[in-house]
Amino acid sequence: QSVLTQPPSVSGAPGQRVTISCTGSSSNIGAGYDVHWYQQLPGTAPKLLIYGNSNRPSGVPDRFSGSKSGTSASLAITGLQAEDEADYYCQSYDSFGNVFGTGTKVTVL
Amino acid sequence: EVQLVESGGGLVQPGGSLRLSCAASGFTFSSYAMHWVRQAPGKGLEYVSAISSNGGSTYYANSVKGRFTISRDNSKNTLYLQMGSLRAEDMAVYYCARVAVTTSHAFDIWGQGTMVTVSS
Repeated sequence: QSVLTQPPSVSGAPGQRVTISCTGSSSNIGAGYDVHWYQQLPGTAPKLLIYGNSNRPSGVPDRFSGSKSGTSASLAITGLQAEDEADYYCQSYDSFGNVFGTGTKVTVL
Repeated sequence: EVQLVESGGGLVQPGGSLRLSCAASGFTFSSYAMHWVRQAPGKGLEYVSAISSNGGSTYYANSVKGRFTISRDNSKNTLYLQMGSLRAEDMAVYYCARVAVTTSHAFDIWGQGTMVTVSS
């Protein structure tokens, strides 16, 4: 049972912008803990996409951006591409340890 | 190349035991805390366990506490997860992952995963 809530799915046409929310509480995101985002392509391991709320690891396109405010965080994908079709997970820390979001499936129409 | 490779998964009966391994290469293994994360078929990611860089501190999710033991051998660059009293709900792909200070303690490197099937 995750304490970070994400929408089950979002979709968009190629070239569009989509956003994924990650809603937590005062014991995790709201307590000041960083939020990280991972992309999981079908049949593969998760890959770090955004760390420390808004930083991109080397090699991650700048179409991906992250933000955090209060008890929530968001991942935005601009200029959506077919290869962005995947599951996306947020992750943070709570009083009892690391926690993952419920996950969001992004579909490119 | 920085790499993590898991092994040891397989079919085990309920109540049985299994030991997973995660071989690290391409980085100074002994400098990093290491973690296990699992994913049940068709489900999301679940945090399982962690161990500090020198092995002196460990952490377990409530769902596995008392049944799983995390350990590491820095001389062999290998992380382990000893799983006991396995249940149907433990069936999942198990990933090992590295945490780096330079990425704000995010899981920056993941293995490819090893599947654990619990069934009679």
